[in-house]
Amino acid sequence: DAGITQSPRHKVTETGTPVTLRCHQTENHRYMYWYRQDPGHGLRLIHYSYGVKDTDKGEVSDGYSVSRSKTEDFLLTLESATSSQTSVYFCAISEPGQGPTDTQYFGPGTRLTVL
Amino acid sequence: AQSVTQPDIHITVSEGASLELRCNYSYGATPYLFWYVQSPGQGLQLLLKYFSGDTLVQGIKGFEAEFKRSQSSFNLRKPSVHWSDAAEYFCAVGAGDDKIIFGKGTRLHILP
Repeated sequence: DAGITQSPRHKVTETGTPVTLRCHQTENHRYMYWYRQDPGHGLRLIHYSYGVKDTDKGEVSDGYSVSRSKTEDFLLTLESATSSQTSVYFCAISEPGQGPTDTQYFGPGTRLTVL
Repeated sequence: AQSVTQPDIHITVSEGASLELRCNYSYGATPYLFWYVQSPGQGLQLLLKYFSGDTLVQGIKGFEAEFKRSQSSFNLRKPSVHWSDAAEYFCAVGAGDDKIIFGKGTRLHILP
């Protein structure tokens, strides 16, 4: 299994509070991704990073920000959490090499509940 | 725009029976295609992938998938399912810019 950890694994918070989720990898992969998974929607890309300090928006980026100051860490921040951000969040990593899209490897997920 | 359709939200098969999960994609160029599996409470695990070459791809856990360009399909198959195969299965297509577009998933139920 790829060395990807996510913390915390579970979190309950209140509307309006800031929340930061962490993804840590030991594979030295260049690309890192944050997805959210909701019933009936599959996985949707929030933000991704293609290198240290290089990030871009995904399909559902509103209300989220990211930072990547080191290769191994990719942080997802909800500046002011809302109930619509209750979801399971997955981090993924990949190392381009075989073409324009390479295999992504996923972390175990963080279950976030916003009350 | 790229898209992936998994027409079956739920599928139920008996243990020992054969399985086929359907996946159709929309992509203008040669697609990069993936199947992932997610067990309850777990992350996604790669089952197999197609980048080029032989259109019949073998994966882990006895799964295979066949790429059919004429039908824009990449269906997942297994000749005999086991109770441990109960999970959710996601088809995905590479979007050509280091991003992957996922289908909404098919949940597989196994009858004893």
